[in-house]
Amino acid sequence: EEQLVQSGGGLVKPGGSLRLSCTGSGFTFRDAWLNWVRQVPGRGLEWVSRIKSKADGGAADYPAPVKGRFTVTRDDSESTVYLQMDSLRTEDTAVYYCTTTCYDTITHLRRGDCWGQGTLVTVSS
Amino acid sequence: DIVMTQSPLFLSVTPGEPASISCRSSQSLGHSNGHNYLDWYVQKPGQSPQLLIYLGSNRASGVPDRFSGSESGTDFTLKISRVEAEDVGVYYCMQALQARTFGQGTKVEIK
Repeated sequence: EEQLVQSGGGLVKPGGSLRLSCTGSGFTFRDAWLNWVRQVPGRGLEWVSRIKSKADGGAADYPAPVKGRFTVTRDDSESTVYLQMDSLRTEDTAVYYCTTTCYDTITHLRRGDCWGQGTLVTVSS
Repeated sequence: DIVMTQSPLFLSVTPGEPASISCRSSQSLGHSNGHNYLDWYVQKPGQSPQLLIYLGSNRASGVPDRFSGSESGTDFTLKISRVEAEDVGVYYCMQALQARTFGQGTKVEIK
């Protein structure tokens, strides 16, 4: 069964940096495309990054609110994806989730996203 | 970018009554494999979102059969045939064709 276990997070001052980690198991990590999604407390869900597998080019994508400040990387030897967050702002305060597409083992069709447990990042002075 | 528009934002339902949530995408979510890349999730307080429906109309493992998803072009609907107390939470649609985009969420409460 697919599992994503997150670590990192915590309290950081505006302008500071933080790195989140997410380790996957139960699936072929090197083939996976991985996302980071965040949720401001009491608000909706917002996608903040995606990294493709190295076999698919390994490119990373970001939406405008975090582009140039957040960097997603992966270490397939450790089955871990990282989100480096720099120049943090108070509006980056949120629970951050890592996610990946999970596949049906028989049909090989997409069967939704699997989610990590989430980690809280608080940006405050 | 694909925009997801979800409605209503709030739903108060009597137990045993049906409920319906709509989600419209700004463009087709059709993959080359013939399936729409649209999921439905429910989020309960303090938890990660839990998958209900994938590929527009496929119920996830362990999800009660009172939950169903339907598709019509760029319009998607989640239906609960008979709402139960345990169904309270915030429901989200999510497109997975291009990165990820979420609907605004629908908060379901029990009357």
